Amino acid sequence: AQTVTQSQPEMSVQEAETVTLSCTYDTSESDYYLFWYKQPPSRQMILVIRQEAYKQQNATENRFSVNFQKAAKSFSLKISDSQLGDAAMYFCAYSNENTDKLIFGTGTRLQVFP
Amino acid sequence: DAGVIQSPRHEVTEMGQEVTLRCKPISGHNSLFWYRQTMMRGLELLIYFNNNVPIDDSGMPEDRFSAKMPNASFSTLKIQPSEPRDSAVYFCASSPGDPTPLHFGNGTRLTVT
Repeated sequence: AQTVTQSQPEMSVQEAETVTLSCTYDTSESDYYLFWYKQPPSRQMILVIRQEAYKQQNATENRFSVNFQKAAKSFSLKISDSQLGDAAMYFCAYSNENTDKLIFGTGTRLQVFP
Repeated sequence: DAGVIQSPRHEVTEMGQEVTLRCKPISGHNSLFWYRQTMMRGLELLIYFNNNVPIDDSGMPEDRFSAKMPNASFSTLKIQPSEPRDSAVYFCASSPGDPTPLHFGNGTRLTVT
């Protein structure tokens, strides 16, 4: 069975600085998809970024980028130029090629200090 | 596009009562998912439908939980009888098909006293 692990329950960063959130996963599949979702206090689940496993190039969305290491089964999220509005829970998630069912990690709470 | 619509946003009920949570997926999406979020267990998939047919209900905790999708625009998650340990945020999500990101509703916060 596939699993997703986020080993950092909480992280903090100073405004304008860079922070990296860690995620590892376990799967025997070769083709799959990885996601980072953001959940602010409003509890809405917002897609931040998505990575296809067959793509070697790391996905980037404005200030958000990932470091995808397929052999190590690692998928970290880097937030550059952190803003107060980035404060939220961040969830790493996995889905295999044949289904859009998501398996989530336990989340990392990010605090951003002015 | 109104997004995935869930109702009610909050529900408070007494133990033993029946609870029904409702979801309207995004039009044209053929996959629908029910997730439960708690502090202890995080986000757990309860059940998902494809073209209104339940595909995987292995996450449904017990017989007290049931879910239906009578048509492409509506789904319900029912808990009968409810228990305090069912207190959680329940999310509905939909997708146009694999492999695409899920679109989540704003969730229903259920409190069972």
